[in-house]
Amino acid sequence: DQQVKQNSPSLSVQEGRISILNCDYTNSMFDYFLWYKKYPAEGPTFLISISSIKDKNEDGRFTVFLNKSAKHLSLHIVPSQPGDSAVYFCAAIPDGGSQGNLIFGKGTKLSVKP
Amino acid sequence: DTAVSQTPKYLVTQMGNDKSIKCEQNLGHDTMYWYKQDSKKFLKIMFSYNNKELIINETVPNRFSPKSPDKAHLNLHINSLELGDSAVYFCASSQDGVAWRPFFFGQGTRLTVV
Repeated sequence: DQQVKQNSPSLSVQEGRISILNCDYTNSMFDYFLWYKKYPAEGPTFLISISSIKDKNEDGRFTVFLNKSAKHLSLHIVPSQPGDSAVYFCAAIPDGGSQGNLIFGKGTKLSVKP
Repeated sequence: DTAVSQTPKYLVTQMGNDKSIKCEQNLGHDTMYWYKQDSKKFLKIMFSYNNKELIINETVPNRFSPKSPDKAHLNLHINSLELGDSAVYFCASSQDGVAWRPFFFGQGTRLTVV
């Protein structure tokens, strides 16, 4: 049973525009949410996180929004650059979860076209 | 200098064989992990070690055994390989085992069992 869902397997955006990647979750007890970025033949790289007590966290071109009532979070990339082309994974941590118990979505492949 | 390194990057082997994947981190982290990315692209935790002690052991077959000779190394040994073991295996480490700290992942080992 998928607790973290990324329903869009792929997204294509023009360079300079905004990329919006979405993630839904089913467990209201999740404590933290994280986004990871993965290039082919490399391991995932941590991008940005948000606590369940916040609704927004910003880091440069990357902003994560959390809507707890809708059990939805999104990652905004503005402006998008060709180097942002990668697979983006949404991940969640259960409240009081044991160390390392990151629950990942299936990922969304972002393509940023020049 | 690679922070988390895994060897080998690719591994093709026959059913029934025993194989090991090695992982080393030079970040001074206390906790190391093994994740498996299956054909459906889900990343799932298998094991977590903190200071050479097993913290998480998710439901994986007994054929999988992690070995941690010191806190900088966490190797994965697999006995009697089966076709279903084919996947990409990622090693990771984090600073103090608190899950919302950024994980540093290795580049992955693509295991193919034929």
